[in-house]
Amino acid sequence: EAGVTQFPSHSVIEKGQTVTLRCDPISGHDNLYWYRRVMGKEIKFLLHFVKESKQDESGMPNNRFLAERTGGTYSTLKVQPAELEDSGVYFCASSQGSYNEQFFGPGTRLTVL
Amino acid sequence: GNSVTQMEGPVTLSEEAFLTINCTYTATGYPSLFWYVQYPGEGLQLLLKATKADDKGSNKGFEATYRKETTSFHLEKGSVQVSDSAVYFCALSSSSGGSYIPTFGRGTSLIVHP
Repeated sequence: EAGVTQFPSHSVIEKGQTVTLRCDPISGHDNLYWYRRVMGKEIKFLLHFVKESKQDESGMPNNRFLAERTGGTYSTLKVQPAELEDSGVYFCASSQGSYNEQFFGPGTRLTVL
Repeated sequence: GNSVTQMEGPVTLSEEAFLTINCTYTATGYPSLFWYVQYPGEGLQLLLKATKADDKGSNKGFEATYRKETTSFHLEKGSVQVSDSAVYFCALSSSSGGSYIPTFGRGTSLIVHP
């Protein structure tokens, strides 16, 4: 069974540009989560989807971040326009139920220059 | 609010050495406690967990005991291997808003030399 996959693995962009990260959860997992780890700091929760609906987006830092999960399958996280402080590793996770173990992807390392 | 504090890294050890990575937490209520591991190039994996006081989680030779009196969940392994080199994250979670969203520590990098 395939795990959670994320694309791209690395992205280097300039300040002001737009970047879109993609996450493919484990097949059949209704719950999808986005997290971010800024260099050397904690992994912070960004938001949680149940199917295509946003269950909790309390961790989204500001309105430059837009997450979607059309059709309840894969999800995208768009940063527009990117700022220097957006650099970090973005993790995606999925789970069967909200109280079940979350399975994490390898992360996308975003560098904003 | 909830928070997790773990020792700064990197921790550098020789193969077969004893490992301790300290983790303390602050939380309301009765959280579950976790250790996650991230091997190079891979995603976070759940290493072990404990759901109530005095529980001991164990996996792959690693152990951690949920100590409510000291609010700690230190990770230990008696004899590390080169393949244990990874980043280790301590985390807690409690039911909030209908899901278990974990609160993570900053991660501790472990480097094991042959």
